[in-house]
Amino acid sequence: QVQLVQSGSELKKPGASVKVSCKASGYTFTSYAMNWVRQAPGQGLEWMGWINTNTGNPTYAQGFTGRFVFSLDTSVSTAYLQISSLKAEDTAVYYCARDGATGELVYWGQGTLVTVSS
Amino acid sequence: EIVLTQSPATLSLSPGERATLSCGASQSVSSSYLAWYQQKPGLAPRLLIYDASSRATGIPDRFSGSGSGTDFTLTISRLEPEDFAVYYCQQYGSSPWTFGQGTKVEIK
Repeated sequence: QVQLVQSGSELKKPGASVKVSCKASGYTFTSYAMNWVRQAPGQGLEWMGWINTNTGNPTYAQGFTGRFVFSLDTSVSTAYLQISSLKAEDTAVYYCARDGATGELVYWGQGTLVTVSS
Repeated sequence: EIVLTQSPATLSLSPGERATLSCGASQSVSSSYLAWYQQKPGLAPRLLIYDASSRATGIPDRFSGSGSGTDFTLTISRLEPEDFAVYYCQQYGSSPWTFGQGTKVEIK
């Protein structure tokens, strides 16, 4: 069965960097795009963008350019989200989500809480 | 970018009642590429409906989706206790993909 398993919670200081991993299993990793979605505390869902797992080409939504980087290691079927120069407003749960045939987000990781606090 | 507006913000209903959730788009959603998700506290969202009206695998038939263009609806025919949650619509017809702000279905 398809599974997306994300790395554990992180507590970081402002200005630091964090790298969240999303390990996929149960399907051919390079056959489906991987999306990233942010959810700030008590707030709704925000699509951050996606990465083409075949070519490695990322697409970022507005507001997620510059400090946010999507990457892959196809040898271990893992997608990564790196956030640099962390700010308090980056505190959120970050989800990876695999798309389906037409772009719907079928499978989701369990989420990774990133807390930015001094 | 397509803005999705969900209404109402909160729906207070009793188990067994019918729930009707709306999602309006600021412009037409291409190919009816609209999905609905359910999210419970502390958990990841779960896909319920995709392509506006297709139920995802394993989703009970009390959940149904309809609509096209700029107006979409999620209907839960008879609320079960496990259906009380927050529901989000999302369009994936035009980049960037966008989500509505959510509708909370709470127990009356």
